[in-house]
Amino acid sequence: GAVVSQHPSRVICKSGTSVKIECRSLDFQATTMFWYRQFPKQSLMLMATSNEGSKATYEQGVEKDKFLINHASLTLSTLTVTSAHPEDSSFYICSARPPTSTDTQYFGPGTRLTVL
Amino acid sequence: SQKIEQNSEALNIQEGKTATLTCNYTNYSPAYLQWYRQDPGRGPVFLLLIRENEKEKRKERLKVTFDTTLKQSLFHITASQPADSATYLCALDMDSSASKIIFGSGTRLSIRP
Repeated sequence: GAVVSQHPSRVICKSGTSVKIECRSLDFQATTMFWYRQFPKQSLMLMATSNEGSKATYEQGVEKDKFLINHASLTLSTLTVTSAHPEDSSFYICSARPPTSTDTQYFGPGTRLTVL
Repeated sequence: SQKIEQNSEALNIQEGKTATLTCNYTNYSPAYLQWYRQDPGRGPVFLLLIRENEKEKRKERLKVTFDTTLKQSLFHITASQPADSATYLCALDMDSSASKIIFGSGTRLSIRP
């Protein structure tokens, strides 16, 4: 299957700092990427849809000013958690959708964020 | 709003037996339903997709059924192996035009030797 990478795989930061997570589609150009969050023993919750060249679409209850998404190229989307707090600690996972498919997403390996 | 439930939080079965996982949904008529495998600390890996007009789909030891009347999908792993131990997630499309999917809470499957 297609490969989607995330960097970093783990990050620990202090409360109040900002953290940037990168999501790269290695095999295809992705006009659409998705960002999910997963708390322990819970399922993935869609946070936002990242669209190349336009603003991200956020799900209800997700603060767009706190979770900044930039989809600057067809292979890269970034999620920046601004002014992180301990409650932002979670597993963040991105996915990328091939341009020729409407029902397939390839997921990255995830980024474990711990805010102290 | 759409609701998707995987009835068993955990399932423990003997190696060689068939594992059957259940996914139920309400308040929606999805165009398709997907099953994923997730290992601890990893992202989900796509396994199978079944569309609303399909009753059953198979892939090697995996079989998925889709009953749109019961609003239920069953996921079977035949001749289960310890390596099949993982969390299995079902997902259905919540907005086909936007390719958005919603995940169930998952079933943690353990296959004991």
